[in-house]
Amino acid sequence: EVQLVESGGGLVKPGGSLRLSCAASGFTFSSYSMNWVRQAPGKGLEWVSSISSSSSYIYYADSVKGRFTISRDNAKNSLYLQMNSLRAEDTAVYYCARALYSGSYTFDYWGQGTLVTVSS
Amino acid sequence: DIQMTQSPSSLSASVGDRVTITCQASQDISNYLNWYQQKPGKAPKLLIYDASNLETGVPSRFSGSGSGTDFTFTISSLQPEDIATYYCQQYDNLPTFGGGTKVEIK
Repeated sequence: EVQLVESGGGLVKPGGSLRLSCAASGFTFSSYSMNWVRQAPGKGLEWVSSISSSSSYIYYADSVKGRFTISRDNAKNSLYLQMNSLRAEDTAVYYCARALYSGSYTFDYWGQGTLVTVSS
Repeated sequence: DIQMTQSPSSLSASVGDRVTITCQASQDISNYLNWYQQKPGKAPKLLIYDASNLETGVPSRFSGSGSGTDFTFTISSLQPEDIATYYCQQYDNLPTFGGGTKVEIK
C-alpha cells in the first residue's frame, strides 16, 4: 500500500525557517517524481514544487522561488522541503504528492498533510 | 501561468441528480487536465486524468470530457458520499488548479 506521511509543520515567526519531510513507503520511491502542494486555510490548492526521480529536474512556483528548496533522499525514501524567509501567506497545509510517472504532474497519491502557520 | 476558471464555485443538488462542473483554461492545454475530489479535512483524491480517463477504483458515475480550453466534469447520479469540493488541474505547463466547486446536497 502506497503511503506518504508528512512531518515537520508547526508555528514559525515571519522570516523564520522550517523543514518539512515526507516519508514514502509501499512503492519504489526512486522511480517517481514527487511534488509539494499546499492549501491555505479555506482556500484552494496551489502547486509548490516538483523534483524528478533522480533530482535532475527541479521546479518551483514563482511564489516560493528563491525561498524554498526541494530535495530528496532515495536511500531513505524521503522527500524534503526547506522553507526559508517564511511569510504569513505561506500559512497552509502542505501535502506531498506522488506523480503518476516520472515527469508527470498527475498526482495519484497524496499524504495527509502537515500544517505550517507563519505568525508572530 | 495558465489560469483555470472553474464554475460554478458551489452548487446544491438532490441525490440522484446529474451534476456538471466546467473548467476553462486561459490557453490551449490539449487534454492535459485532471479532476480531483477533496472531502473536508482530507487530502485530494485523483478521479479523472488526461481529461477523460477514470482512475482505477473510481465509480463510473464520474466522468470527464473536453480538450483545448473547455472541459466538463460530470457526476451522472449524485450520491451522499459525493459531497466534497472538486478541483480541475492543468499540466500543460507547470501545474495550476481551478478555484474549486463545492458540491452540497439539497
